[in-house]
Amino acid sequence: KQEVTQIPAALSVPEGENLVLNCSFTDSAIYNLQWFRQDPGKGLTSLLLIQSSQREQTSGRLNASLDKSSGRSTLYIAASQPGDSATYLCAGLSRTYKYIFGTGTRLKVLA
Amino acid sequence: DVKVTQSSRYLVKRTGEKVFLECVQDMDHENMFWYRQDPGLGLRLIYFSYDVKMKEKGDIPEGYSVSREKKERFSLILESASTNQTSMYLCASSLAFASGSWLHTDTQYFGPGTRLTVL
Repeated sequence: KQEVTQIPAALSVPEGENLVLNCSFTDSAIYNLQWFRQDPGKGLTSLLLIQSSQREQTSGRLNASLDKSSGRSTLYIAASQPGDSATYLCAGLSRTYKYIFGTGTRLKVLA
Repeated sequence: DVKVTQSSRYLVKRTGEKVFLECVQDMDHENMFWYRQDPGLGLRLIYFSYDVKMKEKGDIPEGYSVSREKKERFSLILESASTNQTSMYLCASSLAFASGSWLHTDTQYFGPGTRLTVL
C-alpha cells in the first residue's frame, strides 16, 4: 500500500532563505506527483505537477523534482517570503489511480 | 481559471440527520473526488468518480455515498450523520487524458472546503 511521508513536519525560517521540503513514497509505481499549498481553513492550491516521465518542474521561485527510483520528491523554494507561510502537501497518484497525500509540512517564514 | 465550488463553507447538523454536500466544477473535468481532512491524519479519499454515473470507493467510504448525475456536479451524502464525521470536507476535480497506452490524470483543483460539525 502506498504511503507518503513529509519531512519536516514543521519549519520556521527567516525571510530570504532558500529551503527544501521533502516528500518520500513507498511505491515507486506512481503516475504523477503533485505539490499543493494550503492556507489555514482553506482548500488546496496546486503548485506543481510532475508527470512520471518528467524529472522536474519549475514555476517562479518554486522548483519540484521527482526521483522515482529513490521514491523521493523535493520542493525547493528560493528566497522565501512571509507570504509563503502555509502548509505544503505532496500527493502521489498510485497505480489504482487514487491520490495518496502526505500529512504536510507547516512552513512559517519570519519577516 | 478552473473553478470548483462547494455548497457551504460551514455546516452544523445533528446526529442521525441526512446531509448533502455538493460540489460543482466548471471545466468539463472527467474526474471528481471527495476527501476529508482531519488533524494528524491528512487528506483521505472517500469516493471518486471518473465519469457520469461512475464511482469508486476510496479509502474510507463507510457511512458515505455519492451521486454523479451530471458531469459538473458530484454530491457526497452522509446517510445518517454521526459525530465522528465532523471534519473538513474537500472536493476536487481533474482532467483525464490518454497518451499512448497510458491514462494520465492532470492537475487536481480543489474547492474551498466545507467544515461540517455533527452535534
